[in-house]
Amino acid sequence: DAKTTQPTSMDCAEGRAANLPCNHSTISGNEYVYWYRQIHSQGPQYIIHGLKNNETNEMASLIITEDRKSSTLILPHATLRDTAVYYCIVRVGHTGNQFYFGTGTSLTVIP
Amino acid sequence: NAGVTQTPKFQVLKTGQSMTLQCAQDMNHEYMSWYRQDPGMGLRLIHYSVGAGITDQGEVPNGYNVSRSTTEDFPLRLLSAAPSQTSVYFCATARLATNTGELFFGEGSRLTVL
Repeated sequence: DAKTTQPTSMDCAEGRAANLPCNHSTISGNEYVYWYRQIHSQGPQYIIHGLKNNETNEMASLIITEDRKSSTLILPHATLRDTAVYYCIVRVGHTGNQFYFGTGTSLTVIP
Repeated sequence: NAGVTQTPKFQVLKTGQSMTLQCAQDMNHEYMSWYRQDPGMGLRLIHYSVGAGITDQGEVPNGYNVSRSTTEDFPLRLLSAAPSQTSVYFCATARLATNTGELFFGEGSRLTVL
């Protein structure tokens, strides 16, 4: 049970912002939203996470709607190296014991 | 720091053979887990552990056994391999007592069952 829904694929022009949506309509009050990405067949890499406030780090920004039923990962200036599969997952509290990845969004950054 | 180390990186088995995929971590993480990833698919959780002596099932546990006798090691055992277990296997660890809960992944083990 992945608990999240993401589009299968997206394209983005190099240098433009990439906005990746995620629906998590059944999220509970203590569940965090996490984003990971997987480049080729490497192990997934952590990007960012949040509970209810918007978050920003050196890699991306995370916008969570007020009702917390959806979120958007923003890569502000996409590069070719951002081409990857992006996974949105939810985790129960910060000590939740299961991370379900689902199928993710395949992002292709176009030159 | 080695992080999360998986061995072997590649393995070919015949149907019915047994083998163990090894996962070792040097970060003192309480949480360890195993995922499988089939071609074109996302990661599916097989088993996980929140500490030595404690294991639990994930989404797809059938055909796999695990044990956690130490904090550092979390081996995944296939007792009788089947072609349906052909996949890439990832071990992942996390510290449970922090607000980040970032998962750290190994490089993967590619298993082919003939």
